[in-house]
Amino acid sequence: AQSVTQLGSHVSVSEGALVLLRCNYSSSVPPYLFWYVQYPNQGLQLLLKYTTGATLVKGINGFEAEFKKSETSFHLTKPSAHMSDAAEYFCAVRVPGAQKLVFGQGTRLTINP
Amino acid sequence: KAGVTQTPRYLIKTRGQQVTLSCSPISGHRSVSWYQQTPGQGLQFLFEYFSETQRNKGNFPGRFSGRQFSNSRSEMNVSTLELGDSALYLCASSSTDTNTEAFFGQGTRLTVV
Repeated sequence: AQSVTQLGSHVSVSEGALVLLRCNYSSSVPPYLFWYVQYPNQGLQLLLKYTTGATLVKGINGFEAEFKKSETSFHLTKPSAHMSDAAEYFCAVRVPGAQKLVFGQGTRLTINP
Repeated sequence: KAGVTQTPRYLIKTRGQQVTLSCSPISGHRSVSWYQQTPGQGLQFLFEYFSETQRNKGNFPGRFSGRQFSNSRSEMNVSTLELGDSALYLCASSSTDTNTEAFFGQGTRLTVV
C-alpha cells in the first residue's frame, strides 16, 4: 500500500523568500510522485511529476522537487515566493500501471507581503 | 484541447435524495477517476473507469456508484444522501500511456442539507 505524509498543514513565508514544502512517501514498489496545486474553489493543477530518470524535476511557475529514494522524500521548493503562490499544495503517489492517486493531507501556503 | 469538464459546478440536495454528477474527459483519454475532497478526510479515491469497466474502487459504501459510457464520459451517483456526503467531487482523466499524469476538472461542490 502507498501513503503520503506532508509535514506542516500550514506554511507561511515572506514574499521573495524560499518556499520549502515537505513530502515523504511510503510505497512497496518504485512509485510515481506528483505535486499538485489547488486554488480556492478550483480543481487540481499539476506542478511537476517524477516517474523515472533524473531525480531533480522542474515544474511550472519556478517550482522544482527532488526525488530522494534513500529518504523516501519528494520535497517541493521555489527559490523566491510570489504572492500568487498562495494556495494549497498536495503531494501524491501512484503505483506504475495504476491510475489511483494517494494524496497527502495538503499544505496551505501563505505568502506575507 | 479542451480540459476536463464537470457539471454541474454547484449542487444543493436534501438528505435522502440521490444525485448524479457528470464528467467529460479530455478528448482521447479513456481513463476517468473520481475523488472526494473534504476538510476532514482530504482527497480520497472513489473509483476509476477504463473502457466502460470499473478497474479500481476505493473504500466507500455502495451508495456511491459510477459508470462510463462508450465516449469515455463518466457519471457518478450517490444515493440516499447523508450530510457527510457534502464535499467537492473531483474527476480526473488520463491517457493510457504509462508515464502520464491525471488532469483534473474544476469539481462539483455538493452540499447536503
